[in-house]
Amino acid sequence: GAVVSQHPSRVICKSGTSVKIECRSLDFQATTMFWYRQFPKQSLMLMATSNEGSKATYEQGVEKDKFLINHASLTLSTLTVTSAHPEDSSFYICSARRSSGMYEQYFGPGTRLTVT
Amino acid sequence: AQSVTQLDSQVPVFEEAPVELRCNYSSSVSVYLFWYVQYPNQGLQLLLKYLSGSTLVKSINGFEAEFNKSQTSFHLRKPSVHISDTAEYFCAVSLFGNEKLTFGTGTRLTIIP
Repeated sequence: GAVVSQHPSRVICKSGTSVKIECRSLDFQATTMFWYRQFPKQSLMLMATSNEGSKATYEQGVEKDKFLINHASLTLSTLTVTSAHPEDSSFYICSARRSSGMYEQYFGPGTRLTVT
Repeated sequence: AQSVTQLDSQVPVFEEAPVELRCNYSSSVSVYLFWYVQYPNQGLQLLLKYLSGSTLVKSINGFEAEFNKSQTSFHLRKPSVHISDTAEYFCAVSLFGNEKLTFGTGTRLTIIP
């Protein structure tokens, strides 16, 4: 149990366009989901915390108007990168915490975004 | 703010040899500690965690880690590695009462047959 999926696994988009990444908890309900960004040979950096039915909480330095997060249900959160630029190219990873869980996050396989 | 340091970016080890992956953290308050493993083309999986109680925690596949408060360390060990242990290992910390995780940069464990 506790499987998290992400879609797509890879996406290439042109500079100036927007791209949406989905994160789904497949076999549990997640009141909280997290979005991370990982640069090559660097650690995962938390971008935002997403709570079902409320606005996401963004970490310092993360542009909320650029990285739109929607947590519309207990099993789905989406990250939309708006007006993407090459510097937004990265590996985006989501995680989900069970509604009854205690500090354990279940991670998706990640989405590789390349902006050309 | 808390931080995590994994000094070794890559660790090659012969099969059936012991291994230690080092993790040090800094925090002014009490923390929870985690080790996550990422197998090729898969998401991160929780390997083990320290929340409270015994400072030695163990996973089902033979790994163990010991919380050392005086040395602010949470090193991961296994007495005999297997080819299937090839993966990236991430140490992470969160503050008491805070579910946000701060990750280290990861250690790539490569098992040599």
